Amino acid sequence: AQTVTQSQPEMSVQEAETVTLSCTYDTSESDYYLFWYKQPPSRQMILVIRQEAYKQQNATENRFSVNFQKAAKSFSLKISDSQLGDAAMYFCAYRSNQGGSEKLVFGKGMKLTVNP
Amino acid sequence: DTAVSQTPKYLVTQMGNDKSIKCEQNLGHDTMYWYKQDSKKFLKIMFSYNNKELIINETVPNRFSPKSPDKAHLNLHINSLELGDSAVYFCASSQIWRGAGDTQYFGPGTRLTVL
Repeated sequence: AQTVTQSQPEMSVQEAETVTLSCTYDTSESDYYLFWYKQPPSRQMILVIRQEAYKQQNATENRFSVNFQKAAKSFSLKISDSQLGDAAMYFCAYRSNQGGSEKLVFGKGMKLTVNP
Repeated sequence: DTAVSQTPKYLVTQMGNDKSIKCEQNLGHDTMYWYKQDSKKFLKIMFSYNNKELIINETVPNRFSPKSPDKAHLNLHINSLELGDSAVYFCASSQIWRGAGDTQYFGPGTRLTVL
């Protein structure tokens, strides 16, 4: 079974600074997706960024980018120019591409605080 | 214009009662999911339906019964509620084929409190 590990339960960053959230996963599959979701206090789950394992290029979405290291099974999220609105729980998630296994497997989450 | 909606957003009930949570998506997706988020914020899949067929059924007590009347709806019925059922329940949907991107979109969650 696949597992996702987020080893840092909490982090803080100064507004306008850069922060990197770490995530590692364990799988024997070669075809899968990885995601970062954000959950602000409103509790809505918001997709931040996604990465297909077959793509070598790291995904980017505005201030958010990932460092995907397939061999190391690592998928970190970098937030540049941090804003107060980035404060939230961040979840790393894995999704198999095998039929019948389309569930998301989540890490335990990491609480990000942004200091003004 | 809400993509994935759930009702109710909050549910407070007594132990032993039966309750339902409804979910609807207007994204035209073929697959819907129920996830449970516990008090420590851990999210875990419960069920998944593809075109009204159950495709994922994790180890969930049989007091929980999902029902999908059509592709756009997936409801969760819970019998004989227990204190440990208190959690936030999220509905999500996606389109399961590579061309559509396969991202799961989540509803706003339903906070269930069992007293």
